[in-house]
Amino acid sequence: EIVMTQSPATLSVSPGERATLSCRASQSVNSNLAWYQQKPGQAPRLLIYGASTRATGVPARFSGSGPGTEFTLTISSLQSEDFAVYYCQQYNNWPLTFGGGTKVEIK
Amino acid sequence: QVQLVESGGGVVQPGGSLRLSCAASGFTFSSYGMHWVRQAPGKGLEWVAFIRYDGSNIYYGDSVKGRFTISRDNSKNTLYLQMNSLRVEETAVYYCAKDGVIREMDYWGRGTLVTVSS
Repeated sequence: EIVMTQSPATLSVSPGERATLSCRASQSVNSNLAWYQQKPGQAPRLLIYGASTRATGVPARFSGSGPGTEFTLTISSLQSEDFAVYYCQQYNNWPLTFGGGTKVEIK
Repeated sequence: QVQLVESGGGVVQPGGSLRLSCAASGFTFSSYGMHWVRQAPGKGLEWVAFIRYDGSNIYYGDSVKGRFTISRDNSKNTLYLQMNSLRVEETAVYYCAKDGVIREMDYWGRGTLVTVSS
């Protein structure tokens, strides 16, 4: 099983600042990585797939990088609606696995 | 618009069984793979199972293999998850999700809560 490790667990950021979230895979997942956003009481929402392709309707301030084992989700200028938990997920190998999440909170 | 609506959650005793359903609309259900993903209270996401668009390939997470069965009825646009021998630690919100371009999950339902408790 591929283990996905996200860091940091919590990120405190002021509105308008840049946020950088990390996700590490225990072995290469090529570009088969997705990022999801989850707000309290809501289902996850797909943000990025293929490591760097934004899903439909996702604002350009969200960007992703990879491939391989080290991935980054960058939010260029945090808006109030961006404070949430973010998960990475690999889909290169079965079983599919998620990272533990990074909570982005208001500083 | 894509809609996924889960149902069938509830309270069940340890060792018991439950069948979840996911009614799909707004897309050609028979053309897409489907996933089940769960989330224990206050915890992260755990992928549970996947079924290919035609049911020809099925995969499970290690923790549910042999106890859970994913299936689908393309004539009813419905996905199922039969859960047997349930454990207390499987208390969670269970989401169904539509497969995207490869294996990312591009649309999710709101989830149904399963509580395993005596």
